Amino acid sequence: GAVVSQHPSWVICKSGTSVKIECRSLDFQATTMFWYRQFPKQSLMLMATSNEGSKATYEQGVEKDKFLINHASLTLSTLTVTSAHPEDSSFYICSANDGQGRNGYTFGSGTRLTVV
Amino acid sequence: AQSVSQHNHHVILSEAASLELGCNYSYGGTVNLFWYVQYPGQHLQLLLKYFSGDPLVKGIKGFEAEFIKSKFSFNLRKPSVQWSDTAEYFCAVSSNSGYSTLTFGKGTMLLVSP
Repeated sequence: GAVVSQHPSWVICKSGTSVKIECRSLDFQATTMFWYRQFPKQSLMLMATSNEGSKATYEQGVEKDKFLINHASLTLSTLTVTSAHPEDSSFYICSANDGQGRNGYTFGSGTRLTVV
Repeated sequence: AQSVSQHNHHVILSEAASLELGCNYSYGGTVNLFWYVQYPGQHLQLLLKYFSGDPLVKGIKGFEAEFIKSKFSFNLRKPSVQWSDTAEYFCAVSSNSGYSTLTFGKGTMLLVSP
């Protein structure tokens, strides 16, 4: 079945630094990838939709300059949290769709980001 | 915009009890419906999905869900739960298009006591 690999699974960084999270589709081409953020005891909140070869579409309230998304190939999307602050600490999850629309979504294992 | 409501935030059951988790959605068009499960320390996994056809959908691990269009509901059921079913369960909806995003409910934490 479809597999999405997300890396790293957890990261601790200092305030002011940037962190890059990778999301790879291992056995299918993901024309669309989604980035979610999960706050404790809350549901996943969609941050942005990234389409291969074009700019990401951000949800209202998500800072484009802070959460940089790059989807340069059909198998890789990256989320970079720039100038991270403690309030950015969260669980980030990516998911990918093969574009067929009828196979559901495959999720990465998530990245636990802690900013100290 | 679509939205999803899960009725229970926490459910505690004994092994062999029957399970039903409620999920209601709001959306004006045709939807695809999903139930995902997140076991402790693991990522989300798809339990089952509904796109069209038979409104009673069977998924993995003995789970099933019924789509009742008139009630905008997609409740998850299992006749007899096991301790290993302890996890968080998310209902999700997407509009019926290839690139639609998923909207999740807030999740229901199920704790099954042995």
